[in-house]
Amino acid sequence: NAGVTQTPKFQVLKTGQSMTLQCAQDMNHNSMYWYRQDPGMGLRLIYYSASEGTTDKGEVPNGYNVSRLNKREFSLRLESAAPSQTSVYFCASSEFSGQHYGYTFGSGTRLTVV
Amino acid sequence: AQSVTQPDIHITVSEGASLELRCNYSYGATPYLFWYVQSPGQGLQLLLKYFSGDTLVQGIKGFEAEFKRSQSSFNLRKPSVHWSDAAEYFCAVGARLGYGGSQGNLIFGKGTKLSVKP
Repeated sequence: NAGVTQTPKFQVLKTGQSMTLQCAQDMNHNSMYWYRQDPGMGLRLIYYSASEGTTDKGEVPNGYNVSRLNKREFSLRLESAAPSQTSVYFCASSEFSGQHYGYTFGSGTRLTVV
Repeated sequence: AQSVTQPDIHITVSEGASLELRCNYSYGATPYLFWYVQSPGQGLQLLLKYFSGDTLVQGIKGFEAEFKRSQSSFNLRKPSVHWSDAAEYFCAVGARLGYGGSQGNLIFGKGTKLSVKP
């Protein structure tokens, strides 16, 4: 009963390096999300995918790209990391078909860009 | 679009005391409402949710929340706080299908950090 699995849990990057954060869910949810969490800022939506084959920008998409690989997997890519992207990243999934049951979150990826 | 405010950044209560965390929202209809808890270094866990009907909803870990339409509020309460309740709490709102706003996406408040004194 894994729920939402994120990898890696921790990562340190140098400025300009690239990396991909992986997220997979086993609940057959249609929708998946990437948020970043910064102190005092709450959670801010980076990108989301309402269903397989679609992706849309959220509140803070600059510097990121996403891929909805299939119904289970939704990855977040940083092409050229910047110190401002130091944050904790959360992936979430949900089933929204008129009724919203809330998100199930992964345990997060703590990213430091130096 | 919907929005949510948690007026208190940090609250400290004594163990055994009652707790109320405030959440106010802005939306043109009754939104979906949620409370999440985040322990240090962990992900967010759903405490409770409100869709419709009874305005007092029960959640896990002894928490409850009351929806008040007239005040656009969804405050979280617990009668007796335990040291293990120390965490950060997030209120979130979701738009109703067909009523505008970001369909399917939840908007989160900035969180209230709860400290518990022995």
